Amino acid sequence: EAEVAQSPRYKITEKSQAVAFWCDPISGHATLYWYRQILGQGPELLVQFQDESVVDDSQLPKDRFSAERLKGVDSTLKIQPAELGDSAMYLCASSSPVLAGGHYEQYFGPGTRLTVT
Amino acid sequence: GENVEQHPSTLSVQEGDSAVIKCTYSDSASNYFPWYKQELGKGPQLIIDIRSNVGEKKDQRIAVTLNKTAKHFSLHITETQPEDSAVYFCAASEDNYGQNFVFGPGTRLSVLP
Repeated sequence: EAEVAQSPRYKITEKSQAVAFWCDPISGHATLYWYRQILGQGPELLVQFQDESVVDDSQLPKDRFSAERLKGVDSTLKIQPAELGDSAMYLCASSSPVLAGGHYEQYFGPGTRLTVT
Repeated sequence: GENVEQHPSTLSVQEGDSAVIKCTYSDSASNYFPWYKQELGKGPQLIIDIRSNVGEKKDQRIAVTLNKTAKHFSLHITETQPEDSAVYFCAASEDNYGQNFVFGPGTRLSVLP
């Protein structure tokens, strides 16, 4: 069964350092999402891509966060500089209305657990 | 914007009993309501979903009901098993436009053997 891949699974970094996360969506999925999940809460959207274009980044802290999906396939989320409050699980999800009969069922990867010290 | 509330925050049941988790949403335009199961250290896994054109959907031991008038939907798990222990999230979205999901805060379900 096809899955969303993410790496690394765990990352520990010091505050003020740069950190990057990678996501490879399910093959053929044109829509890609990055979510942040703080411990004990539900995921919250950071950015949504349709192919290589950003559809929604209204909740992305643009002063320190950036995301790209240059070829419309895999994606990278970067934080620079990292702050203590960025400690969370970063989840990537993908969907394809074409493959799902017009619906946007989202499939999540295993996530990257970030700890900022 | 959409706001999703979820109750209870924690739920303990004996193995074999039923579990019910309830969610309410605020945006009447929302028409797609998925449920996700998240095990420790893993990403959320879609377990069942329902769209606004139906009132109930069932998949083996799991069922979801939707009341659009009251803007609430519920997850029902029957004959619970220890492997059902996890955090469950409901979500709501306006599916037609592929908008992002708004998730509830989650329910930690513990099935006691």
